[in-house]
Amino acid sequence: GESVGLHLPTLSVQEGDNSIINCAYSNSASDYFIWYKQESGKGPQFIIDIRSNMDKRQGQRVTVLLNKTVKHLSLQIAATQPGDSAVYFCAENVGGSQGNLIFGKGTKLSVKP
Amino acid sequence: EPEVTQTPSHQVTQMGQEVILRCVPISNHLYFYWYRQILGQKVEFLVSFYNNEISEKSEIFDDQFSVERPDGSNFTLKIRSTKLEDSAMYFCASSVGLGRNQPQHFGDGTRLSIL
Repeated sequence: GESVGLHLPTLSVQEGDNSIINCAYSNSASDYFIWYKQESGKGPQFIIDIRSNMDKRQGQRVTVLLNKTVKHLSLQIAATQPGDSAVYFCAENVGGSQGNLIFGKGTKLSVKP
Repeated sequence: EPEVTQTPSHQVTQMGQEVILRCVPISNHLYFYWYRQILGQKVEFLVSFYNNEISEKSEIFDDQFSVERPDGSNFTLKIRSTKLEDSAMYFCASSVGLGRNQPQHFGDGTRLSIL
């Protein structure tokens, strides 16, 4: 039968380890990218963004890497904590659009204590 | 930290009825958005709004949908005659500048259930 929902990729890590969440974006004209964290029952929470003229940006415990050649985005979380458990989405904005964000499927991160 | 607030958190409505979802964006933000997320699926863009008019809308945002900024603080999404397939989480977002250069900040959503 046809699947009616997304089967989210899942990443399970040990507390204190580093996490890497990957995202393939769809449009080579996209020029702005955002990572969001979504906890159960909550809206997407902004983590970090990056513009297409950069290939790396660091925040507090998080780093985003952008590879435009292969249209790939990654989010690295250092010293992962139980509070980091959530679904993580990448979102892209196509150049010329009025802020229309295109969201990826999401990755569920589970942190084991 | 300022946040986007949405009311109600859960709305149950009979099919064919009108529903209004309300949002208070962050106070110094100028750009406003609505997205929806059907259970288990991706977050989907509906509409962006700036300077009291729609900037961009998706195919989902048909004639049954409308948005309004009735005063200086509220931003509403109206669905005129709801259908079963309108059941979803609806998220409001706002940004200080245009969304392709400034992050959009989201509220916690309204769960809309159509019976």
